Amino acid sequence: NAGVMQNPRHLVRRRGQEARLRCSPMKGHSHVYWYRQLPEEGLKFMVYLQKENIIDESGMPKERFSAEFPKEGPSILRIQQVVRGDSAAYFCASSPRDNEKLFFGSGTQLSVL
Amino acid sequence: QQQVKQSPQSLIVQKGGISIINCAYENTAFDYFPWYQQFPGKGPALLIAIRPDVSEKKEGRFTISFNKSAKQFSLHIMDSQPGDSATYFCAASLDADGLTFGKGTHLIIQP
Repeated sequence: NAGVMQNPRHLVRRRGQEARLRCSPMKGHSHVYWYRQLPEEGLKFMVYLQKENIIDESGMPKERFSAEFPKEGPSILRIQQVVRGDSAAYFCASSPRDNEKLFFGSGTQLSVL
Repeated sequence: QQQVKQSPQSLIVQKGGISIINCAYENTAFDYFPWYQQFPGKGPALLIAIRPDVSEKKEGRFTISFNKSAKQFSLHIMDSQPGDSATYFCAASLDADGLTFGKGTHLIIQP
């Protein structure tokens, strides 16, 4: 049973470009969470999605950031017009119906030049 | 507002010793308190978790102690081993909300 798959592992973008981060949850998991981690910081909750629905986006910046979890395919975290402050590790986690037991992917390290 | 405060930020323990990491929370409605372990370049992995209806939970060398009245919980690693060297995060959650994490503790076990 494959774990949570995130790609790419590393993503380099120049300021102003768009970044797309993908997350395929574990088989049978319909709940997806995105977190951001800065060096020497804990993980900051960004958004919680179920298939085709955003349940809680209270941690998402109001501008430039969006997330989706379509009926088919992976969840996508999209960052438009990236700035240097967006450089961080972005982790996706999934859970079965019990949302508390989160299983994390290995993350995408975004570097903005 | 930081809802989960974790200490210490870093910790060095001799092999065979006891590692203790503490967390304090503010929201009394939190009802689930997990600890995650993270190795460099990897995502966090669930280590052990507790609910507020018990004061202690033990799994192998790992123990969570929970003090509801003080709004504190801690992780104890007995007989610490070099392979335990990692970053540890405490977290808390309420119902269907996402986890709120502490800032992490860098643990180094010296051989």
